[in-house]
Amino acid sequence: EVQLVDSGGGLVQPGGSLRLSCSASGFIFSNYWMTWVRQAPGTGLEWVATINGDGSDTFYVNSMKGRFTISRDNAKNSLYLQMNSLRAEDTAMYYCAREYWGTFDIWGQGTMVTVSS
Amino acid sequence: EIVLTQSPGSLSLSPGERATLSCRASQSVSISYLAWYQQKPGQAPRLLIYGASSRATGIPDRFSGSGSGTDFTLTISRLEPEDFAVYYCQQYGQQSGNPPYTFGQGTKLEIK
Repeated sequence: EVQLVDSGGGLVQPGGSLRLSCSASGFIFSNYWMTWVRQAPGTGLEWVATINGDGSDTFYVNSMKGRFTISRDNAKNSLYLQMNSLRAEDTAMYYCAREYWGTFDIWGQGTMVTVSS
Repeated sequence: EIVLTQSPGSLSLSPGERATLSCRASQSVSISYLAWYQQKPGQAPRLLIYGASSRATGIPDRFSGSGSGTDFTLTISRLEPEDFAVYYCQQYGQQSGNPPYTFGQGTKLEIK
């Protein structure tokens, strides 16, 4: 079964850091670009970052560039999002998703990040 | 940046009725890169339509997508109780300095 499992969320203070993980199974992970999408409570979906199949190229939304880093370990079938200098407005559910021809065809269940003192 | 505007913001219909959801882009979008998603409370989004009109795996044929250029439509021919959810359109387009992926703000489909 094709599956993505998100983990690593939690409560963090403003200015703190957190590393999210996404474990993939059921498909050849290295063949696919992977993405993080977030959703603040009660709001819509926001694209965060994307990484290509071998990890050599990354793309970020401007507001998160320099604070967030997307990476992957194809040997471990895993995707990561390192989040630094977190702000209250980063509070959201974070989903990893498999990218295919510009769409997101498989999604993880999400992991909740709460930034609060 | 290509902005996607969905209308209406919310829609109240009864099971068995037809739903028509609109997604308008601020610039022309390649039909290859326009998708629709369904999201139910407490769940991750699910891909419904890709390439503007192709149904994703396992999606019932009561869901259909159409459109081109700047105007796209998701139609649900006969609403089932499980179809009441929030629907998002999404586009992909390479534009220097702009995010390649953007979502519409969503349309909430409610039971009347």
